[in-house]
Formats: sequence, C-alpha cells, structure tokens
Amino acid sequence: EAGVAQSPRYKIIEKRQSVAFWCNPISGHATLYWYQQILGQGPKLLIQFQNNGVVDDSQLPKDRFSAERLKGVDSTLKIQPAKLEDSAVYLCASSLFGGNTRLEQYFGPGTRLTVT
Amino acid sequence: GESVGLHLPTLSVQEGDNSIINCAYSNSASDYFIWYKQESGKGPQFIIDIRSNMDKRQGQRVTVLLNKTVKHLSLQIAATQPGDSAVYFCAEHLTGANSKLTFGKGITLSVRP
Repeated sequence: EAGVAQSPRYKIIEKRQSVAFWCNPISGHATLYWYQQILGQGPKLLIQFQNNGVVDDSQLPKDRFSAERLKGVDSTLKIQPAKLEDSAVYLCASSLFGGNTRLEQYFGPGTRLTVT
Repeated sequence: GESVGLHLPTLSVQEGDNSIINCAYSNSASDYFIWYKQESGKGPQFIIDIRSNMDKRQGQRVTVLLNKTVKHLSLQIAATQPGDSAVYFCAEHLTGANSKLTFGKGITLSVRP
C-alpha cells in the first residue's frame, strides 16, 4: 500500500512570497489533515477534510492560508503572503475514517518550508 | 485549558535497557491516546494507542500505560535498540463535533551503543 505523498520536500522562499504544497493521501482514505510542525514541537492541526468538505479549520490563519481538496482526493495548501514565522514542516495525513471512529492517521514525509 | 505535555525534553538510554517516556495531559474528557514516533526527515509514525476505558495495552516491545487519576500516559520500550532513536509524541483525542488529535511537545530518545 502506497503511503501519503507530499511535494515538494523542501522549499525556501522570501517573506511576502507565496507557496503551495501538494498532498496525495492513501487511496480510499476519506479524511485528510494538514498539520504545521514547528521545530521541537508536536504537529498542530491546521485543517481537516472529510472527502471534499472542511470539517475543522479553526486553527487555520485564514488571512494568509488556504486549502482545498478537489474531488475528495488530492489536496493543496497555500500560503500567501508568507511570514518568517511560517517556517515549519507542513505535514499531510490521512485516515480511513474520521470523527468519532478510530482514527489511525498516516502521515506523509512533510514539506520543510524556510521563509527568509 | 487543554494541553498535552511531556515531562522531559530528552532521554538517553543504553542499548538493551528499557525506556520509559512519560506524558501528562490535562483534559480528563479525552477518550483516546496515541503514541507516535518521528524519525528525522519523516512524518510521525503510529506506535500504539489506548482508549480511556483501558489502563494498559501491549504491543511488540512496547507497552502503554494510562493513569486517568493523575492524567498520566507512559510509553515503555523493552530492550531499546538503536533504531528506536527518534522523537516521540503523545497525542490525545477528544471525541465530539470537532474531534481532533492534540499533540504534545516531543521528547528525543537517544540510544547509546
């Protein structure tokens, strides 16, 4: 079974530029998550999709971050404009179920973003 | 407020010894807990989970203990191997309308040969 795929693996941009990350979840997984992981900390949920609908985006800085999951499969996360504090690893995860059922999440390798 | 935290930032153990990684959580309503292992350059990997109606669960070389009285979670790794070197995270889950995982800060496990 193929895992969660993410690209690019690394990205360096200047502040105020824009950047986009792509995620392809495990086939058949209905739930997709985007996390932000700052160095030395645990992942923090940014947004959760159930199929192509948003379940939770309460911690997404909506003035600069946006995400979509077209057709309920692949997803993109965009930052525009980027700030220095956005430097982090952006992790995508997927699970077969979500909500109240057992939710073992499978994580991708992440995209390491450096904003200079 | 809700928080999940780890007591120590780093743990160094001798190869072959047992490791114990501790975690404190503050939300008594959390109903599900997971331990993740994260190696350098990789995403977190599921190790073992436990529901709040249990106090112990065993896997292959790993055991998770849950003490709801003091809101404490621990991960025990038997016969620690060099491949166990990684950052470990505990995470808690609260079932509800906006159920999600809340991760604590990681603890680095370093295995000495």
